[in-house]
Amino acid sequence: AKTTQPISMDSYEGQEVNITCSHNNIATNDYITWYQQFPSQGPRFIIQGYKTKVTNEVASLFIPADRKSSTLSLPRVSLSDTAVYYCLVGGTYRDDKIIFGKGTRLHILP
Amino acid sequence: KAGVTQTPRYLIKTRGQQVTLSCSPISGHRSVSWYQQTPGQGLQFLFEYFSETQRNKGNFPGRFSGRQFSNSRSEMNVSTLELGDSALYLCASSLVPGDSRNQPQHFGDGTRLSIL
Repeated sequence: AKTTQPISMDSYEGQEVNITCSHNNIATNDYITWYQQFPSQGPRFIIQGYKTKVTNEVASLFIPADRKSSTLSLPRVSLSDTAVYYCLVGGTYRDDKIIFGKGTRLHILP
Repeated sequence: KAGVTQTPRYLIKTRGQQVTLSCSPISGHRSVSWYQQTPGQGLQFLFEYFSETQRNKGNFPGRFSGRQFSNSRSEMNVSTLELGDSALYLCASSLVPGDSRNQPQHFGDGTRLSIL
């Protein structure tokens, strides 16, 4: 399934940031996975979910019942959360090759 | 548990040369994938190996090749280097006991390859 995310977002320290990803053609067996990437580093796995809500120590993932979109929620962001965030769907393959989109460039301001 | 290790971190080569990059996956992970990342094209899938066999290959020329050893460590090779091969090359490993497409991937910090 193809994913669509905002290209960039700005927020301020201490705010909650929500990044939404659209995936209209998600398949029944597909999970939704989010990665975070800092410059000159590899992407880092943040969170993965299938439906409803998943929470871990760094983020929450909200998935509505139709699963056609998902929202990554970062509570009380800091400057160190400035990074690119990628949304992947298990079916984000073309001919069985995993496809990363352009991601969302999140810029946290002081 | 140690993460994915890629060596070297930085490499400078000239056009026409060849290069070999190395990746050691997380212990117990049997799938290794390689990606090329450039500012213009973003993250692009190169190939994936599992049990020493290439499972999938991206749309890259034959100059890009790889292999996986019995201990799951992997290498990728680029021959006849071109200026456009300058990029961050990332390796990722994952467990592949079931549906591999839903397995989170764990990335190394990459090898920065510069072609002069």
